[in-house]
Amino acid sequence: QSVLTQPPSVSGAPGQRVTISCTGSSSNIGAGYDVHWYQQFPGTAPKVLVYRNSNRPSGVPDRFSGSKSGSSASLAITGLQAEDEADYYCHSYDSLRDSVVFGGGTKLTVL
Amino acid sequence: QLQLVQSGAEVKKPGASVKVSCKAYGYTFSTNGITWVRRAPGQGLEWMGWISPSNGNTKYAQKFQGRVIMTTDISTGTAYLELRRLTSDDTAVYYCARNAEVRGLNWYDTWGQGTLVTVSS
Repeated sequence: QSVLTQPPSVSGAPGQRVTISCTGSSSNIGAGYDVHWYQQFPGTAPKVLVYRNSNRPSGVPDRFSGSKSGSSASLAITGLQAEDEADYYCHSYDSLRDSVVFGGGTKLTVL
Repeated sequence: QLQLVQSGAEVKKPGASVKVSCKAYGYTFSTNGITWVRRAPGQGLEWMGWISPSNGNTKYAQKFQGRVIMTTDISTGTAYLELRRLTSDDTAVYYCARNAEVRGLNWYDTWGQGTLVTVSS
């Protein structure tokens, strides 16, 4: 059971908008700790998509955006493309556990 | 060009130890921490800990305390992860990642390609 809860899977048709939620608690996201998001394709290393809640590294399309409110965060993907099919992970810090924590991951399927 | 290059796949027997290396290119190795993360088959990412190459300070996930050792060699720009008393549950792909910021709670801007460690009798 992950400290940060993500839906196991989401899906959408090409061109649609999907969101992936990351729900935490008062000892992590709710305490104000930043949330980061990574994309991972099968057999490859993760890649950062969003850092510090809503910032995109250079080279990441603006179709990807992050937000945070209260004890939750979200990753939104607009204009869905077949190449977006991957696993997505949120990442933060938990003060109760004094540990970095990842969400359980969400598999995005493009229909 | 920023790059982390890891050592090759390993097969180990239960009870053995494994040591994975991660060589950094394209930046001053001592300035950024190195974090280790693993992904077991069918599972998600799991944080193992991190090390500061500048002073050797480490922080390990409680789950791995007493069984993991992270070290660095500044002269070669290489970080090492050693995991002892392996069990089948340690079968996973192990990744090193660079902490993007010099200090504070961090995110990871560069990742190694991953090293598959298989534990089997």
